[in-house]
Amino acid sequence: EIVLTQSPGTLSLSPGERATLSCRASQSVSSSYLGWYQQKPGQAPRLLIYGASSRATGVPDRFSGSGSGTDFTLTISRLEPEDSAVYYCQQYGSSPKVTFGPGTQVDIK
Amino acid sequence: QVHLVQSGAEVKKPGASVRVSCKASGYTFTNYYMHWVRQAPGQGPEWMGIINPSGGSPSYAQTFQGRVTMTRDTSTSTVYMELSSLRFEDTAVYYCARGLCSGGSCFFFDFWGQGTRVTVSS
Repeated sequence: EIVLTQSPGTLSLSPGERATLSCRASQSVSSSYLGWYQQKPGQAPRLLIYGASSRATGVPDRFSGSGSGTDFTLTISRLEPEDSAVYYCQQYGSSPKVTFGPGTQVDIK
Repeated sequence: QVHLVQSGAEVKKPGASVRVSCKASGYTFTNYYMHWVRQAPGQGPEWMGIINPSGGSPSYAQTFQGRVTMTRDTSTSTVYMELSSLRFEDTAVYYCARGLCSGGSCFFFDFWGQGTRVTVSS
């Protein structure tokens, strides 16, 4: 089973700053099978990035994804107040076929 | 536009079963896989399984094998998820989510239902 670890657990930054979120896999993950989601309280998760670096429809270009192998990164280039949320990475691989990381809480000061 | 509308909240006793529905609209129902994902209070999402609305057998996460059944009704563009032998730890919000295909697989989730809260309580 591939386990995803995310760091930091919580990130507290000011509007306009850059956020860098890390997702590390216990085994190599195909870049095609790594995604990122944003979840706000009381809402369903929202797909931001798929295939490690492709933005989903309607996602602002301040969100970008990168990485390969076991190390992946979600970058928010200029934080906006509405970016306050929990961010999850997700991978598809061998059974169990899909796993999510524990999440990173991003707080905007 | 794409909409996934789920059935309402449920309260069940341990050992009972629950069935959640998810009605799709705004796209061709049979062209996209549908997934079920649950989220326990304060936890991250957990994938339960995938069903192809066009047909074929669903595929379930090992954790739920033997307890979950996913079905579809193409006449109403609705998918169903039934979870049996409910336990206290099955208390969660259950989501249907449409599959986005990339790199030859369809295991990203681009549209989600509003969620159905299932509470298991004696």
